[in-house]
Parts: sequence; structure tokens; C-alpha cells
Amino acid sequence: DIQMTQSPSSLSASVGDRVTITCQASQDISNYLNWYQQKPGKAPNLLIYDASTLETGVPSRFSGSGSGTDFTFTISSLQPEDIATYYCQHYDNLPYSFGQGTKLEIK
Amino acid sequence: EVQLLESGGGLVQPGGSLRLSCAASGFTFSSYSMTWVRQAPGRGLEWLSAISGSGASAYYADSVKGRFTISRDNSKNTLYLQINSLRAEDTAVFYCAKGESSNWYPEYWGQGTLVTVSS
Repeated sequence: DIQMTQSPSSLSASVGDRVTITCQASQDISNYLNWYQQKPGKAPNLLIYDASTLETGVPSRFSGSGSGTDFTFTISSLQPEDIATYYCQHYDNLPYSFGQGTKLEIK
Repeated sequence: EVQLLESGGGLVQPGGSLRLSCAASGFTFSSYSMTWVRQAPGRGLEWLSAISGSGASAYYADSVKGRFTISRDNSKNTLYLQINSLRAEDTAVFYCAKGESSNWYPEYWGQGTLVTVSS
């Protein structure tokens, strides 16, 4: 099974900051990677699929990049409503495991 | 609009069983895979199981293989998860999700149902 290693586990940043989260797969997954946002008490919401394609309606300040084993998720200018936990997930082959999550807080 | 409504959660004693349901609407249910994911309190997301649109193929995480059974009734637009031999560590919010058409990843999620295993 493929293991996903996400870092950091938590992050504190100021409004307007550029925020970056990384995700590493234990083997080559091409670009079969999603990023989800989960706000407290809510279900996860798909933000990015195919490593870099924004889901419809997702603000352009969110972006993703990478292929193979190393991936990056970026918020170009952090907004207060971006406070959430972010998860990567691969879909190269079942089971589709998640990263451990990154809890993003406002400084 | 895709809607997914989980039910069947609650308090159950260790060793007990439970069947979770997920009522789907807003899409052609039989055309899409479905997935169950859980989240223990204060923890991350854990992929559990997925089933094809027809129900002919099912897949499980190693951690639940043999205890969890995924199924679906396409005539009722409903997904199920049978959970047996419940343990304290199964305490979690269980989410159902509609799979993306080609790659089966969770595309739309329900709001979840809480399962608490305690004596």
C-alpha cells in the first residue's frame, strides 16, 4: 500500500502570508493526488485534483503542483476563512490513503 | 445537487454490530462508485472501503478487512456499511462519499454519522 507523508502537521501564519504544505508518496503516483480542506465540524471538501487542477469554484489563491512522489499545496495569500485542516490523498491504486493532515491557524 | 445523508450511527457496546446507511440523491447513483471514510475524534481521515457502481466489486483497507462489509441497493439509491465486532478504536465519524467517475476518489461527501463504541 502507498503511504502519504504530509508536513508540517500544524502551521501558524498571518493573514496575507504565503503558505506551503508538502506531501510525499512512498512510491511514484504520477499526478494522482487530491487536496481537501476540512473546516471544524464539517466534512472534507475537494479543492484540487490531478495534483494541480482546481475544482470549480475554488479561489485562485489555492494551487497545487508536483508529480511522481513530491507534491506541494500553496495558498498565495492567506485569508481568515482558510483556517482549516488540509489533507492530501493519492488515487493511484486502492486503498486511497490520506496524509496525516496539516492544521492551519492564524497567527 | 449531490446530496448524501448518512444514518445509523450511535452508541454501541464493544463486540456489537451496526449497519450504517447513506441515502444519495442528485445524481445517477448506479453509475458511480461510493466510498466510506472515517475520522476518529481529533484524528485524520482514514479511507475504509469502496464499491463499484454495480456493486460487483468492493475494496477494503487492511485495517477493516473481514469486519466491515460495504454494499449498495441501487433501487433505493442507498449505500451501506456493515460493521461487526466493534472495538473502542472504531469510535469515529463515518462519512460516505460519491466517487469521481473515472478514478473513484471521494468527490462529494456527506456530513457524517458518529459511531461511539463504549460500555
